[in-house]
Amino acid sequence: AQTVTQSQPEMSVQEAETVTLSCTYDTSESDYYLFWYKQPPSRQMILVIRQEAYKQQNATENRFSVNFQKAAKSFSLKISDSQLGDAAMYFCAYSGGATNKLIFGTGTLLAVQP
Amino acid sequence: DAGVIQSPRHEVTEMGQEVTLRCKPISGHNSLFWYRQTMMRGLELLIYFNNNVPIDDSGMPEDRFSAKMPNASFSTLKIQPSEPRDSAVYFCASSFPPTANEQFFGPGTRLTVL
Repeated sequence: AQTVTQSQPEMSVQEAETVTLSCTYDTSESDYYLFWYKQPPSRQMILVIRQEAYKQQNATENRFSVNFQKAAKSFSLKISDSQLGDAAMYFCAYSGGATNKLIFGTGTLLAVQP
Repeated sequence: DAGVIQSPRHEVTEMGQEVTLRCKPISGHNSLFWYRQTMMRGLELLIYFNNNVPIDDSGMPEDRFSAKMPNASFSTLKIQPSEPRDSAVYFCASSFPPTANEQFFGPGTRLTVL
């Protein structure tokens, strides 16, 4: 069975600094997708970034980028120039195989200090 | 597009009562997912539909939970009878699989069972 692990329950970063959130996963599939979702206090789940496993190039969305290490089954999220609005719970998620259901990690609560 | 719509946003009920949560997916999406979020168990998939047909209901906790999708634009999740341990946030999400498995989430329903 596929699993997603986020080993950092909480992280803190100073405004304008860079922070990296860690995620590892386990799967026997060769074709899959990885996602980072943001959940602010409003509880809305917002897609931050996604990565297709067959792509070697790391995905980037403005200040958000990933470090995808397929062999190591690692998928970290880097937030550059952190802003107060980045404060939220961040979930790493996996989707693969015959279905596109999401398997989530336990989340990392990110605090941004002014 | 209005996005995924869920109702009600908040529900408070007493133990033993029937609860019905509603979801309208994004028009054109043919996959629909129900997730539950709790502090203890995190985000977990309850059931998902593809083209209105239930594909995987292995996450449904017990027979008190049932879900239907009578047409492509409407789904319900029913709990009967409800119990305090059902208190959680319930999310509905929809997707159109060819678009990289990305799922779009509704705002969630916060259920409190007293």
